[in-house]
Order: sequence, then C-alpha cells, then structure tokens
Amino acid sequence: EAGVAQSPRYKIIEKRQSVAFWCNPISGHATLYWYQQILGQGPKLLIQFQNNGVVDDSQLPKDRFSAERLKGVDSTLKIQPAKLEDSAVYLCASSLGAGGLKEQYFGPGTRLTVT
Amino acid sequence: GQNIDQPTEMTATEGAIVQINCTYQTSGFNGLFWYQQHAGEAPTFLSYNVLDGLEEKGRFSSFLSRSKGYSYLLLKELQMKDSASYLCAALNTGGFKTIFGAGTRLFVKA
Repeated sequence: EAGVAQSPRYKIIEKRQSVAFWCNPISGHATLYWYQQILGQGPKLLIQFQNNGVVDDSQLPKDRFSAERLKGVDSTLKIQPAKLEDSAVYLCASSLGAGGLKEQYFGPGTRLTVT
Repeated sequence: GQNIDQPTEMTATEGAIVQINCTYQTSGFNGLFWYQQHAGEAPTFLSYNVLDGLEEKGRFSSFLSRSKGYSYLLLKELQMKDSASYLCAALNTGGFKTIFGAGTRLFVKA
C-alpha cells in the first residue's frame, strides 16, 4: 500500500513569510498527526485529527500556525508569519485506529529552513 | 507533568547486545511505543507494549514495567544498519496523546 505522502520535501523561506505543507495519509487511516521535530529532539505533537475533527491542538502556536483536514483525508499545515525558531522538520503521520492505540506511519517530512 | 527520559547517546559493537532504557511520567498511561529513526528519515514503528513483560520480535525485544514507569528496548546481534536514533513514546489516556522522548542515538562500530 502507498505510504504517507508529504510535500514539499524542502522549503526555505525568510522570516515573516508564509508557508504551507500538505499531507496525504494512508487510505483508510482515520487519525492524522502533525509533528514538529527540531534537530536533536523527538517529535513534538502539534495537532491530532480524528477524521476531520481536532482531537488535540494544545501545543499548536495558534497565533501563527493553523491546520485543517477537509473531508477527513488530506491535511494542510500553515505557518503565517514564520519565525526563525520554526526551522525544523514537519512530520505528518497517520494511524488506522482511533486515539493513538495503533502504530503511526510517518511520511518523509518537510524540512523547513527559516532565514 | 509529562516527561520521557532516555540516554542521549550509546555506542556498541557489531554483533553485541545493547539495552536502551526509557523512563516515563504521563497523565495516565495507555501503552509505550518504540520507534527507529535513521538520520534524515522518518520514524518507523518497532514495538508497542501495554502490559508488563517482555515482547520479542526477531532481534528486537521490548520490556515494560508499568509500576516502575520503565521500559527498555533490547537489540541483539547488532548490525551496522542498526545505527539510528531510537525513540521512546508514551501514550497517555487524556486525549490519547503520544509523547515522544528526545531519542537515543545508537552508534554501532565494527
């Protein structure tokens, strides 16, 4: 089966610019996650969707980050405006079960550099 | 609070056995995951423990003690390709949120 798809793979922007990332989860996976992984650290959950509803977004900086999952399939994560500290890899993952009880399948990630 | 602790780095020799420890504190507990992440790549699932005890899967085994908030990943017959980061992740019961540790970078030398 096809894995989790993400685009773009790399993005370089200047601070205060906007950027958007796209994720297509594995077909049939109800739960979708966006993580931020800063170099040398573990993934930090930004937002978790169950179908097209938000389960957890407690660590999403809502003044600049937004995410949506239309029709419970694809998802986009947007940063507006970007800051230097947003430089990281943004990982999208999906899982078959509800509530994280099944393993997560990760996409290749988008490496964002903010200059 | 919620916290995952694991060693930052470990070095082991090809063919040997290595144990990577993880301690966790979470708001409720619903299981413990281990993921492998090679440099520049996405994490891939290794194991999931929800009950106490050891689960073996080929060269990799994972152990959980819920009463001690402790888990370990055991890698046997180490190969060079096992050089990677190993992420410990705890699933809490509040919103079923997965909390990742910072990862343990394992270097396997010849």
